[in-house]
Amino acid sequence: DTAVSQTPKYLVTQMGNDKSIKCEQNLGHDTMYWYKQDSKKFLKIMFSYNNKELIINETVPNRFSPKSPDKAHLNLHINSLELGDSAVYFCASSQGGGGPSFPPATQYFGPGTRLTVL
Amino acid sequence: SQELEQSPQSLIVQEGKNLTINCTSSKTLYGLYWYKQKYGEGLIFLMMLQKGGEEKSHEKITAKLDEKKQQSSLHITASQPSHAGIYLCGARGNFNKFYFGSGTKLNVKP
Repeated sequence: DTAVSQTPKYLVTQMGNDKSIKCEQNLGHDTMYWYKQDSKKFLKIMFSYNNKELIINETVPNRFSPKSPDKAHLNLHINSLELGDSAVYFCASSQGGGGPSFPPATQYFGPGTRLTVL
Repeated sequence: SQELEQSPQSLIVQEGKNLTINCTSSKTLYGLYWYKQKYGEGLIFLMMLQKGGEEKSHEKITAKLDEKKQQSSLHITASQPSHAGIYLCGARGNFNKFYFGSGTKLNVKP
């Protein structure tokens, strides 16, 4: 059974389009995250949600909007895609940890979605 | 700004050899995580270290966190081709931000 799943695995699209990436976790976790991995392999957190509430919202363009219909899902919608948005996007989940908790929670990652903007 | 430095950036070893990957922070870490990413796949959680001087092992992989909690090492004994991949260290810093190192790409030659 897949713990954290993302769809699609690959996404190729033209500049200016709007696209969504879906994430689902079946671990019963209450916190979910979106990360962007750039070409140098740096992973940067974009958002975290705890019980459907936004906890962390890093400085990302307004074109990126997370949507959490329930605790098991956190989707990422991107408007007006740009070339610089090309990257691998990882979804993750944890039990707790989205806020100022200690010890930090273990995060379990999805397989990633490779987005290519042409 | 990136707060975790990993070394080396890439590593090629002969099967059966031992190797060490280092992760260094300029600040005290509130938990250090090691992940492995297989090429083209997602991240796999390996181990978490919290206490200064802590050491954990899983199969042939041992991770240590120094007493100052600013440096961690990942040691693989008798490497195998299945160990190949990208190893990432991650840590939680101020304001609940979670940082990752830039990764170490490991190839194991059979």
